[in-house]
Amino acid sequence: AQSVTQLDSQVPVFEEAPVELRCNYSSSVSVYLFWYVQYPNQGLQLLLKYLSGSTLVKGINGFEAEFNKSQTSFHLRKPSVHISDTAEYFCAVSKDGGSQGNLIFGKGTKLSVKP
Amino acid sequence: EAGVAQSPRYKIIEKRQSVAFWCNPISGHATLYWYQQILGQGPKLLIQFQNNGVVDDSQLPKDRFSAERLKGVDSTLKIQPAKLEDSAVYLCASSLGLNGELFFGEGSRLTVL
Repeated sequence: AQSVTQLDSQVPVFEEAPVELRCNYSSSVSVYLFWYVQYPNQGLQLLLKYLSGSTLVKGINGFEAEFNKSQTSFHLRKPSVHISDTAEYFCAVSKDGGSQGNLIFGKGTKLSVKP
Repeated sequence: EAGVAQSPRYKIIEKRQSVAFWCNPISGHATLYWYQQILGQGPKLLIQFQNNGVVDDSQLPKDRFSAERLKGVDSTLKIQPAKLEDSAVYLCASSLGLNGELFFGEGSRLTVL
């Protein structure tokens, strides 16, 4: 069965510093991988996704992630964060290889950007 | 384009009472999902509909939870009777089809006392 592990529950960082949010997954089948962002009292918004092709995926708000099949990782990065990036970030894997909707989520990483 | 609409946004009930949440997906979206997000955890899929048929309800606690999408558009999720551990945010999401990208509503926050 698929599972997702987000290695850090909280990541504090100063404004304009780079950040990496780590995600590892386990799966016995080929997967789709996703990063979602959740601002306080709001639903989830898709940041980026890996379905196939290039392992470096670029998303909204300057975020990018790299799919590493050998290390079963899909870490999220941003070279320079802003105060507005403060939110909770969720990594997710498709339950089966062909779905973008039936997802298994990690427990989330709270990114706190300080001035 | 209007997003996924959910109501109520907040609900507080006593344990053993019942509650219902409503979701109206984005127009034209055939697939609808209900996720449960307990504080400190990621969302967990409860049920997935394709039009008015159930695709996956393997994680729905069927002794107390029920959901319907009778006309293949809006949906209702009901909990009866509620337990303390049902306190969570219930997120509705929709997609164009089974393999389409998810769009989430703002969620309905349930507190069971």
